[in-house]
Amino acid sequence: DTEVTQTPKHLVMGMTNKKSLKCEQHMGHRAMYWYKQKAKKPPELMFVYSYEKLSINESVPSRFSPECPNSSLLNLHLHALQPEDSALYLCASSQQTSGQETQYFGPGTRLLVL
Amino acid sequence: QKEVEQNSGPLSVPEGAIASLNCTYSDRGSQSFFWYRQYSGKSPELIMFIYSNGDKEDGRFTAQLNKASQYVSLLIRDSQPSDSATYLCAVHTGGFKTIFGAGTRLFVKA
Repeated sequence: DTEVTQTPKHLVMGMTNKKSLKCEQHMGHRAMYWYKQKAKKPPELMFVYSYEKLSINESVPSRFSPECPNSSLLNLHLHALQPEDSALYLCASSQQTSGQETQYFGPGTRLLVL
Repeated sequence: QKEVEQNSGPLSVPEGAIASLNCTYSDRGSQSFFWYRQYSGKSPELIMFIYSNGDKEDGRFTAQLNKASQYVSLLIRDSQPSDSATYLCAVHTGGFKTIFGAGTRLFVKA
């Protein structure tokens, strides 16, 4: 089973709203990732958690706040977003085996900021 | 700057033909290489991974890796209209960093 789930599938929010994206995997993977993907562009890495600790923050604005409550869950808290933040947000996980980081993606959350 | 280059396409092939997708990468120390398929509006789906030089076959898909030339390719045999998608080449460069190419759009004409 290589399933990563994400909720919600779609989200529309105003620039003053606070919302959260959720991601879950039950494959025993110890690394979890958030990516942002704009239309016709490749995924861009935002954050990586390894063993529930933040390992990489790719200079993401503070209006995006990640959280990893446990090894199976990953959240992305959103606050005061801008219209240019509209994109497909992808969660991924990997087993964290040195040199062979096969990442499995969830279905994504399509976010529209008005 | 570590880079992964792909021809953006579109690559158009007739149904039943072989589609050949190519990718080059700049980081000679890269160890793991992946091909993802992405349908419009959907998330990337892992098609193949390859770690060693040579060919790796899985059904209609063959990945080829040449580390000396820093080149990885994906062949799709007996292409079907359902193979029409964007194919992303991804290279694991170390730690948790995987760099994605911009993708090649493939159209398979019925």
